[in-house]
Amino acid sequence: AQSVTQLGSHVSVSEGALVLLRCNYSSSVPPYLFWYVQYPNQGLQLLLKYTTGATLVKGINGFEAEFKKSETSFHLTKPSAHMSDAAEYFCAVRADSGYSTLTFGKGTMLLVSP
Amino acid sequence: NAGVTQTPKFQVLKTGQSMTLQCAQDMNHEYMSWYRQDPGMGLRLIHYSVGAGITDQGEVPNGYNVSRSTTEDFPLRLLSAAPSQTSVYFCASTSLNTEAFFGQGTRLTVV
Repeated sequence: AQSVTQLGSHVSVSEGALVLLRCNYSSSVPPYLFWYVQYPNQGLQLLLKYTTGATLVKGINGFEAEFKKSETSFHLTKPSAHMSDAAEYFCAVRADSGYSTLTFGKGTMLLVSP
Repeated sequence: NAGVTQTPKFQVLKTGQSMTLQCAQDMNHEYMSWYRQDPGMGLRLIHYSVGAGITDQGEVPNGYNVSRSTTEDFPLRLLSAAPSQTSVYFCASTSLNTEAFFGQGTRLTVV
């Protein structure tokens, strides 16, 4: 079984400030980890993913995340927030590369103020 | 490439009515799934399929049926709609070693 915990249902930052969205997972096998973004009234778009190899992964729009096995974490960061980053962000885990199911966290709404 | 296409985008049903949410993908993905999204709950898996003719239940399957007669299509059926099924529904497809690709969603209201 696997699960995802996203700390904070809402995170507020000022434009230009660091963005940090937290994600912790549990998985009985090596995980595949994903961050998705959802803009209002849209579907989910992949930001970045960790499968194997390098633990620091870079995604679209300047986001990156680091897989830390010892902390079972996969936090999402961006050095400088833009107004256009305001959206809901979902962390998700899958057991491996096969057809096991994708388990989502409950989401974090990122609010960016001028 | 259209990716994952869901229809309709919006739907209002009366309690007890039935309907089918359509999902089609053109990426030749083996694995397809349906999720529902409710405020503060994230996305919860309803049903999934690992190939034509093979389906299985997810976390919240009650009140929903699925079938997979072709690789491309994975419809979700509500046999007797209830207000508790008011939600946004997402279809997704994936293949080995790829991420899940999502449709734009169907916003369903049951009154």
